[in-house]
Amino acid sequence: AQTVTQSQPEMSVQEAETVTLSCTYDTSENNYYLFWYKQPPSRQMILVIRQEAYKQQNATENRFSVNFQKAAKSFSLKISDSQLGDTAMYFCAFMNSNAGGTSYGKLTFGQGTILTVHP
Amino acid sequence: NAGVTQTPKFQVLKTGQSMTLQCAQDMNHEYMSWYRQDPGMGLRLIHYSVGAGITDQGEVPNGYNVSRSTTEDFPLRLLSAAPSQTSVYFCASSYRGGRTEAFFGQGTRLTVV
Repeated sequence: AQTVTQSQPEMSVQEAETVTLSCTYDTSENNYYLFWYKQPPSRQMILVIRQEAYKQQNATENRFSVNFQKAAKSFSLKISDSQLGDTAMYFCAFMNSNAGGTSYGKLTFGQGTILTVHP
Repeated sequence: NAGVTQTPKFQVLKTGQSMTLQCAQDMNHEYMSWYRQDPGMGLRLIHYSVGAGITDQGEVPNGYNVSRSTTEDFPLRLLSAAPSQTSVYFCASSYRGGRTEAFFGQGTRLTVV
């Protein structure tokens, strides 16, 4: 079974600064996907970024980027130029897939990190 | 463009009552799943389905039933509610291949008293 660990229950950052959220995972599988989801106070789960395990290049989406270290089983999220709207709970998640890249849609989540952006 | 729709958004039940949480998606996704979110534990998988007529258990299935008679709908049934089932419940759906990210409903906050 896979496990996902987020060791930072809470983080804070000043507006316009950079913050990094940590995530480690444990799996014996070789084919998988990793995600960061954002959950603002509205409770909606919003996809921030995703990474395919077979890709060495780190994923980037505007101000969000990841540092994917497959050998170390580490998947951290960097938020640059933090904005007040980034205040939310952030979840790291893992999804298995077969050799053809097909998954069953089953996610394993970390415990979450509450990020607060201060003005 | 509705996406994943969950109803109700809030519900209070008495211990021993039964109820069904509804979930519908209009994206023709093959995969659907139910999660519960509890403080400090993230989201945990209750049940999932890979297509109409096919369901399987996740990490925390006890006390819950599911069925999937159509591609669009995936209801979650609480058979006899217990206070330990107080939680926020999320339904999610995703494609079988290609882009794999899950799309989530708005969640249902359930309180069992």
